[in-house]
Amino acid sequence: EVQLVESGGRLVQPGGSLRLSCTASGFSFSNFWMSWVRQAPGKGLEWVANIKQDGDKKFYVDSVKGRFTISRDNAKNSLYLQMNSLGVEDTAVYYCARDGYGGYQVYWGQGSLVTVSS
Amino acid sequence: EIVLTQSPGTLSLSPGERATLSCRASQSVSSGYLAWYQQKPGQAPRLLMYDASRWATGTPDRFSGSGSGTDFTLTISRVEPEDFAVYYCQQYGSSPITFGQGTRLEMK
Repeated sequence: EVQLVESGGRLVQPGGSLRLSCTASGFSFSNFWMSWVRQAPGKGLEWVANIKQDGDKKFYVDSVKGRFTISRDNAKNSLYLQMNSLGVEDTAVYYCARDGYGGYQVYWGQGSLVTVSS
Repeated sequence: EIVLTQSPGTLSLSPGERATLSCRASQSVSSGYLAWYQQKPGQAPRLLMYDASRWATGTPDRFSGSGSGTDFTLTISRVEPEDFAVYYCQQYGSSPITFGQGTRLEMK
């Protein structure tokens, strides 16, 4: 059974940093693109970033470029999202997801809440 | 960036009725790379359809997807009680990947 478990979400002050982690199990992690998708409270879905199997290609939505970094450790079956210079607009549930063969998200974790507030 | 506009914003139907959800793109979606997701309150999204018309594993066959270019449709042939939820379309043919704003399917 595919499982994705996010961790690291918490309350952080504006301008602060946070690192989210996602631990994967039930599939061969190193064979798949992985994504982060977020959802602000009461709002819709926003794709944030994705990363190729070996980590040598990464893509970001414009609103996080230069502030967020996606990375992975295939030996640990783990995906990460380093978030710097956080603003209140980054408040959201952050989902880790395993991509399909085209870029859509097949499996999703339950999400990790990041709250940016003073 | 491709902007996806979903309509209607809210669809009120009774169980057994047919649901038609629309997703219109601001420019052509490459190779029909469009997916549909269902999200229920407090849950993660669930993939229903991909490549515009392919069923994801476990998607009931009362769901179907169609369309190409800039106009796509998700149809539920006969709405079941468990189908009341929010539905999102997503294009993954161009970077950045983008989602529509969602259509809420509610019980009349």
